[in-house]
Amino acid sequence: DARVTQTPRDKVTEMGQEVTMRCQPILGHNTVFWYRQTMMQGLELLAYFRNRAPLDDSGMPKDRFSAEMPDATLATLKIQPSEPRDSAVYFCASGRSGSGPYEQFFGPGTRLTVL
Amino acid sequence: SQQGEEDPQALSIQEGENATMNCSYKTSINNLQWYRQNSGRGLVHLILIRSNEREKHSGRLRVTLDTSKKSSSLLITASRAADTASYFCATDANSGYSTLTFGKGTMLLVSP
Repeated sequence: DARVTQTPRDKVTEMGQEVTMRCQPILGHNTVFWYRQTMMQGLELLAYFRNRAPLDDSGMPKDRFSAEMPDATLATLKIQPSEPRDSAVYFCASGRSGSGPYEQFFGPGTRLTVL
Repeated sequence: SQQGEEDPQALSIQEGENATMNCSYKTSINNLQWYRQNSGRGLVHLILIRSNEREKHSGRLRVTLDTSKKSSSLLITASRAADTASYFCATDANSGYSTLTFGKGTMLLVSP
């Protein structure tokens, strides 16, 4: 049963600390998305990769956030330095982009709390 | 900015009843998708409807799309307690990136 995995599931840190979240997309999927979910803003797209290349990170605060795909089995989202307003649930999703529309498969999320 | 807006924000029904959720969006779309999220979990894809389709069925789910009104509806028939979750519509705005923009969701509570 192929699933998107994310680590850690929960992270509590103090303001100013670096936070790294990891995602393993489903094998064979060529697109990876990072989302942030809060009660106020709902689900926001932060970054989007296709075939490991970043295509859209316009939703991501560039000064403190960075997203990478070191290889096809790992995507990372880093926040440095973290701030209390970054507290949210961060989801990774993957999909198989081809000639038509496709569904996204979501991981269980990383709940981040910045004190 | 949010593309899709679900209505109502919350819905409470009894088991066996039908649940209808609506979604309105602002710009032209390539396709529209519905997702479910159980509390504390990731989103799960339910159904995808393309812009040239008007209705689609999957089990107890029925989705309609009216591109002239820029709206969609999700109907869950004969609801069960296990259907309790938040439901989100997501639009692919044909931007060339095939990314989805999610609404804020409808929280459905199905009581036994």
